[in-house]
Amino acid sequence: EPEVTQTPSHQVTQMGQEVILRCVPISNHLYFYWYRQILGQKVEFLVSFYNNEISEKSEIFDDQFSVERPDGSNFTLKIRSTKLEDSAMYFCANSQNAPYEQYFGPGTRLTVT
Amino acid sequence: AQTVTQSQPEMSVQEAETVTLSCTYDTSENNYYLFWYKQPPSRQMILVIRQEAYKQQNATENRFSVNFQKAAKSFSLKISDSQLGDTAMYFCAFIPFQGAQKLVFGQGTRLTINP
Repeated sequence: EPEVTQTPSHQVTQMGQEVILRCVPISNHLYFYWYRQILGQKVEFLVSFYNNEISEKSEIFDDQFSVERPDGSNFTLKIRSTKLEDSAMYFCANSQNAPYEQYFGPGTRLTVT
Repeated sequence: AQTVTQSQPEMSVQEAETVTLSCTYDTSENNYYLFWYKQPPSRQMILVIRQEAYKQQNATENRFSVNFQKAAKSFSLKISDSQLGDTAMYFCAFIPFQGAQKLVFGQGTRLTINP
């Protein structure tokens, strides 16, 4: 069964550094999402992406965040200048047609020190 | 506000028992989609079951079934014949209206299945 993959599984970075989190979606899926989960808290929506543009974003997704599909397959989340409060698990998700059935990757644990 | 509430932070049952996890949500829309996701210790999010609000019949997936009460805005998950591998965090979530993109999650219920 096709799976969503994410790299790296764990990223440690210093405050102020840029990080790029990568996701390889299921091949025929057209809708892409990023969510985050701060330890012990619920999962929060960051952004959705369809047809090479952002279709919806949350208040969390400020100017420090960006997303792109640089090569038509990988889907990336960039944080330009990380803050301590960006430490969280970041999940990529995607869906095939309708947005409603989203399949999640295993997550990237980001630790900002 | 479009919110999801899971009132049981933790639950614990014996193996082979049946357990029901509760979830309520808030939306003024008529068409929306409801989900239960499982998050084992690996922290992978696994889709367990989904329900479209326009369908009256409750969804079932093997040992997992839901009790969808649209008027009460309630969406509980029943796990029958529970197994040790069912131990996980369970999140109720919904897409609050037709055309929305984001999943809105509840706080989760930590379920432990004891041998």
